[in-house]
Order: sequence, then structure tokens, then C-alpha cells
Amino acid sequence: EDQVTQSPEALRLQEGESSSLNCSYTVSGLRGLFWYRQDPGKGPEFLFTLYSAGEEKEKERLKATLTKKESFLHITAPKPEDSATYLCAVQAWDYKLSFGAGTTVTVRA
Amino acid sequence: DTGVSQDPRHKITKRGQNVTFRCDPISEHNRLYWYRQTLGQGPEFLTYFQNEAQLEKSRLLSDRFSAERPKGSFSTLEIQRTEQGDSAMYLCASSSPGDMNTEAFFGQGTRLTVV
Repeated sequence: EDQVTQSPEALRLQEGESSSLNCSYTVSGLRGLFWYRQDPGKGPEFLFTLYSAGEEKEKERLKATLTKKESFLHITAPKPEDSATYLCAVQAWDYKLSFGAGTTVTVRA
Repeated sequence: DTGVSQDPRHKITKRGQNVTFRCDPISEHNRLYWYRQTLGQGPEFLTYFQNEAQLEKSRLLSDRFSAERPKGSFSTLEIQRTEQGDSAMYLCASSSPGDMNTEAFFGQGTRLTVV
């Protein structure tokens, strides 16, 4: 069965303090790896898709990278508005999506 | 608005009652997913459809849960004889056909509270 493990569970950062979130996975056949942002009480908001090892995607202060076993989400110089739960999901060849438990990021001003 | 739409946003029901949720996917998206999420956890897979065909249903899902997607458009998720443990956020997502750009876009969810 496909498995996704995210670490750490929670991350408290000072504004401007860069850090990285980890997503390690096992999947029968990887079609794509997705990162989402989720605010309390809302549905996940799509951020990035990564398809193959070595691929990188960037959006504002966020950068996602992918290897054969894990993905990282780097947050550079975060601001309080980056506070959210970040979810990683893998999509297998049959299009089924499996999620990790998420990393809750809190950025203090 | 062309995003995924879920109705209702909130539902409070008494234990033992049946509830039904509706999801309208993004137009022309042929894949539709249902997930359940409890506080502090990631979304848990329930089932998914490609067009009107239900391709997989989670082994963790009891027989009280059923989903349909008639005509491959909107979908409904029904929970029969609700239990307190069914209290959760129910999320629907859809994705476009083809082998590329298969990311799933989520609705705002239906928050179910069983009392």
C-alpha cells in the first residue's frame, strides 16, 4: 500500500527564518507528487506538482524538490501569512491519491 | 465560479440518521475523489470515480458509506445510520482527464457533526 510520511509534525519559525519540510514516500508507481496548503476549516489548496526525480518548482517563497524517495518543501524568509498546514500527496499510476498527515507551520512576526 | 463546489458546508445530525452530501466537480474533470479528514490528520481516501465508474473504495470504509456519480457529473456521498465517529470534514476533489496535469483540486468541504 502507498505510504506518505511527513516531518516534522509542527514547525515554529520566526519571520525570515528559512526552513524545510520533508515528505518521504513509497508508492507502487509514481505518477506525480503534489504539495498543498491548507488553512483551518478549508479545503486543501494546490501548490505544486512534481513528476520526476530532480524536478524543482518555485512559487514566491516556496520551492519544492523531488528525489526518488522523498520531496522537500523549502520556505525561504517566511512571513506570518505562510502559516498553514502543508500537505504532501502521491498519485499512483491508477490516479489514486494518498496523503501524508501534514506539517503545521507557524510563523511569528 | 468554476471551482469544486460542495453542499452543504456544515451538517449537524443525530446519531442514527442518514446524511447525503453533494459535490459538483470542475467542468470537464472526469476524475472525482472523496476524502475524510479529522482534526490534525491528513485527508483519508474514501473512494474515487473516473467518469461514472467507481474505481476503488477504501477497505476501511464500512458498508454504511456509499457514493454515486450518475452520468459522470456531480457526485453524492451518503452515510447511513451515522455514528459519532463519522464526525469529520468530508472533502471532494476533481482532476482533469489525460495523463498530464493530473493534480486534484479540492472543494471547501462539508463539516459533519454527529450528536
